[in-house]
Amino acid sequence: EADIYQTPRYLVIGTGKKITLECSQTMGHDKMYWYQQDPGMELHLIHYSYGVNSTEKGDLSSESTVSRIRTEHFPLTLESARPSHTSQYLCASSVGSGNTIYFGEGSWLTVV
Amino acid sequence: KQEVTQIPAALSVPEGENLVLNCSFTDSAIYNLQWFRQDPGKGLTSLLLIQSSQREQTSGRLNASLDKSSGRSTLYIAASQPGDSATYLCAVSEKSSGDKLTFGTGTRLAVRP
Repeated sequence: EADIYQTPRYLVIGTGKKITLECSQTMGHDKMYWYQQDPGMELHLIHYSYGVNSTEKGDLSSESTVSRIRTEHFPLTLESARPSHTSQYLCASSVGSGNTIYFGEGSWLTVV
Repeated sequence: KQEVTQIPAALSVPEGENLVLNCSFTDSAIYNLQWFRQDPGKGLTSLLLIQSSQREQTSGRLNASLDKSSGRSTLYIAASQPGDSATYLCAVSEKSSGDKLTFGTGTRLAVRP
């Protein structure tokens, strides 16, 4: 079983608020990812990191930002939330190349 | 740009039936292909990983095959159970993009008792 944790699991916030979604893994994986998934739709990569102090934007443009100061921690921040940010955000991690990618349980964000 | 398609979008079968889920991808230069399971409101659970050099992988009642040249993979579930009800996703990673995955939209499976 994967040891990757996301908090909060569910969050409802008002427009304009700043929010940070937390993601931690205890497996020592070097690679970490953030995917966004709208209900019934496919997952899209929004951010990834290949190690400490390494972050890149994914295929889907996102107004969120990420940081990777510690191997185990990969938080995602929205400086000013909007209703269009309402979605499920999934964090994942993997080690090396060509290996299984493990996902967290996801964070459901609703912006009202 | 890699595109991943899964057919059918939804499937309902009686308990005990064997079934096949299909996944196709447009660019055969893949690194590997993974099958995942997603329960409602939850994250993804990895089921099987097939490297580009492999033809199939098996885990319990699950068997995944890969035909890279034709851009196809199948997930075979034997003796289906109600607990198998979930959305099944396939995803490919390409050599040009390392471990970044491109996902299909999934097949929603319902196994009736």
